[in-house]
Amino acid sequence: GAVVSQHPSRVICKSGTSVKIECRSLDFQATTMFWYRQFPKQSLMLMATSNEGSKATYEQGVEKDKFLINHASLTLSTLTVTSAHPEDSSFYICSARPPGGNQETQYFGPGTRLLVL
Amino acid sequence: ILNVEQSPQSLHVQEGDSTNFTCSFPSSNFYALHWYRWETAKSPEALFVMTLNGDEKKKGRISATLNTKEGYSYLYIKGSQPEDSATYLCASGFQKLVFGTGTRLLVSP
Repeated sequence: GAVVSQHPSRVICKSGTSVKIECRSLDFQATTMFWYRQFPKQSLMLMATSNEGSKATYEQGVEKDKFLINHASLTLSTLTVTSAHPEDSSFYICSARPPGGNQETQYFGPGTRLLVL
Repeated sequence: ILNVEQSPQSLHVQEGDSTNFTCSFPSSNFYALHWYRWETAKSPEALFVMTLNGDEKKKGRISATLNTKEGYSYLYIKGSQPEDSATYLCASGFQKLVFGTGTRLLVSP
């Protein structure tokens, strides 16, 4: 099946620093990847849609200058949390949709837990 | 219904019990309903994608039904096993998935 990896799995950083999270599709090419986050006791919420070779599309309320998304290749999307603050502490998870076939299914990475001190 | 809602929030059953969960979603502008199984520290595993009203899908001991007119889907597990312990998520949509908060299932030996 389709496999998506995410790195790192856990990161602790100081307030004001930037953190980069990588999302890779290991056995398929993904023109579109998605970034979600989950706060405690809440559901996964879509942050942005990452499109290979073009700008990401952000959901309402998500600051594009704070959450930088780069989708430079068909197998890699990165999310950079710039100048992180404690309120950015959350669980970030990416997904990718293989081209063709069953296009409805999104395959998820294992997620990254970010703690900003 | 404006959001995707799941019930119950958590469930504790004994090995061998059969169980079911509910996912409610907005019936307007429906495209697809997704079920995922999510074990701690692992990636959510895609179980089913359902698009047609009345659809019923099965994977081993797990099956799901879909009613798009009234906006609900049921997930059934027959003869629960400890390895079925996980959080079961449903989501509505095509590319932009709207998730419920999940049902956490614990199956005791």
